[in-house]
Amino acid sequence: DVKVTQSSRYLVKRTGEKVFLECVQDMDHENMFWYRQDPGLGLRLIYFSYDVKMKEKGDIPEGYSVSREKKERFSLILESASTNQTSMYLCASSSETGGLMETQYFGPGTRLLVL
Amino acid sequence: AQKVTQAQTEISVVEKEDVTLDCVYETRDTTYYLFWYKQPPSGELVFLIRRNSFDEQNEISGRYSWNFQKSTSSFNFTITASQVVDSAVYFCALSEANSGYSTLTFGKGTMLLVSP
Repeated sequence: DVKVTQSSRYLVKRTGEKVFLECVQDMDHENMFWYRQDPGLGLRLIYFSYDVKMKEKGDIPEGYSVSREKKERFSLILESASTNQTSMYLCASSSETGGLMETQYFGPGTRLLVL
Repeated sequence: AQKVTQAQTEISVVEKEDVTLDCVYETRDTTYYLFWYKQPPSGELVFLIRRNSFDEQNEISGRYSWNFQKSTSSFNFTITASQVVDSAVYFCALSEANSGYSTLTFGKGTMLLVSP
């Protein structure tokens, strides 16, 4: 079974703090994704990565950066957290082999509250 | 740009009722894939089904069935004899090529509440 884990289920941070959200997958997947989920807005793609040290912006990259130093790990960084970044953050991974048909597998999510 | 619309924000049913979740999509691509995911209260999205644009056969898996109609750009999901454990948010998604790589565009989700 594919396993995607996220470092924290719940996180409380203060405005202006630098925040790291970690995601690890154990299926040797090439692709990894970060989404945020907000009520009424569904899932929106922040960044994705298709290889080590490679990254692409998604639909809402502003205020975020990412890091992928190892294939299994994809980090989302909030350089200076703001209250409007309070959200549920979901990490996913997929293989590149099948292209459009590849299924994304999700982690349990991190609920981030920025005070 | 691709788009996925789940017009039903929330549906409430009583156990054993049948319920259909609607999904309508827009794309200019001829080859694409559609997905359904379930998000229970625990938060993790669980993959349910994938369908490609060339296969319009309906699919049934236990109490779940999916109706893909290319003519109306719809990929609807029906739960027969609903159970309390079906309570969750359900997302429909469409795969697209993004900078040469595959990403998903999600609908906003439908929250299904099944009461005893």
